[in-house]
Amino acid sequence: GAGVSQSPSNKVTEKGKDVELRCDPISGHTALYWYRQSLGQGLEFLIYFQGNSAPDKSGLPSDRFSAERTGGSVSTLTIQRTQQEDSAVYLCASSYDRGIAGYTFGSGTRLTVV
Amino acid sequence: GQQLNQSPQSMFIQEGEDVSMNCTSSSIFNTWLWYKQDPGEGPVLLIALYKAGELTSNGRLTAQFGITRKDSFLNISASIPSDVGIYFCAGHRGGNLIFGKGTKLSVKP
Repeated sequence: GAGVSQSPSNKVTEKGKDVELRCDPISGHTALYWYRQSLGQGLEFLIYFQGNSAPDKSGLPSDRFSAERTGGSVSTLTIQRTQQEDSAVYLCASSYDRGIAGYTFGSGTRLTVV
Repeated sequence: GQQLNQSPQSMFIQEGEDVSMNCTSSSIFNTWLWYKQDPGEGPVLLIALYKAGELTSNGRLTAQFGITRKDSFLNISASIPSDVGIYFCAGHRGGNLIFGKGTKLSVKP
């Protein structure tokens, strides 16, 4: 598509439930990134994909967080046993290559854990 | 983790005023970028700076990459109401993009 598409745009879940967040990057972009934005904070790096592999998972905050990418395109970020501190906006970005600094961001998924 | 120090955290603008914000880091970056985020949207790239000392303009926006490669500033001239939003600086190094906490621009009441 023309831009980075994320779904759902909003998600409210109960504490302890699992959630899946989806990112559809710009066609042809091999690099894909997940960031988390908490209220009043900057963007916190979570994970980076080059194609289907994730050479940099250093930002995942705990083993409850995982992500995969299939076909070098769509990526899913999964949070298991959600906690209230997981509430944030989860942003996905893509670029032609990791060396290209000008990432294009999606509109994000606002996750609220109640 | 690594963070950039961005200031001010927030500011109020009156239409027509010039606005200035900056970012500093203890580490060197190869590229500095400035993004703007509107409510409910992802950040949108405004300006990218690739060389130390580089001064780049995009309409009413001007940004500079500091000589030491550890800082950058963004100026907005003759502000208009649609300039309100959150502005983020970001430094790029080794394939990672590190963000500041943002400067929130609001309209003076």
